[in-house]
Amino acid sequence: GIQVEQSPPDLILQEGANSTLRCNFSDSVNNLQWFHQNPWGQLINLFYIPSGTKQNGRLSATTVATERYSLLYISSSQTTDSGVYFCAVAGANSKLTFGKGITLSVRP
Amino acid sequence: DTGVSQDPRHKITKRGQNVTFRCDPISEHNRLYWYRQTLGQGPEFLTYFQNEAQLEKSRLLSDRFSAERPKGSFSTLEIQRTEQGDSAMYLCASRRGQGNGYTFGSGTRLTVV
Repeated sequence: GIQVEQSPPDLILQEGANSTLRCNFSDSVNNLQWFHQNPWGQLINLFYIPSGTKQNGRLSATTVATERYSLLYISSSQTTDSGVYFCAVAGANSKLTFGKGITLSVRP
Repeated sequence: DTGVSQDPRHKITKRGQNVTFRCDPISEHNRLYWYRQTLGQGPEFLTYFQNEAQLEKSRLLSDRFSAERPKGSFSTLEIQRTEQGDSAMYLCASRRGQGNGYTFGSGTRLTVV
């Protein structure tokens, strides 16, 4: 199956700082999503982005499918951005495979 | 669009008991997925349905696990003779079809004591 690697595993930021989270995957994909898991465990969809670039407020994401990676950018981070960020991909079989996640802590 | 609903949110059960979880997907979504997440890990695929047909089951889904989606709407996941290793967050997701993203529910957190 497709392998997904996320880096860095942990990230600590001061409020207001910018950050880049990376996702590498091992094969071509039809689906790539970035999720934020809140403290109660719910996975909140941030972006559906199998290719290209999207922006939503302080967040943006870019997927370069030919090079098998995706980046999530967080600008002007806030304490509410803290949590675990997952990248998940699916190939032709449509099953999402998740990375191990990136734990982000934003300090006031 | 009321999102994906899961019930219950939390379940504590004694080892050996049976438990059943329910998932109500977004109404126009024909694909429904079950995932399991243990502490510190990403969610892992268990099974998925297209309408009422169960199209794939993971090897993680032992004989003690069974899932149904009888009318192509809500789904249930039953675990028989629960073991402590079954303690996890069980997540349900749905989507409209190819070319669309997954929407996850809030999950059911199972604790087996």
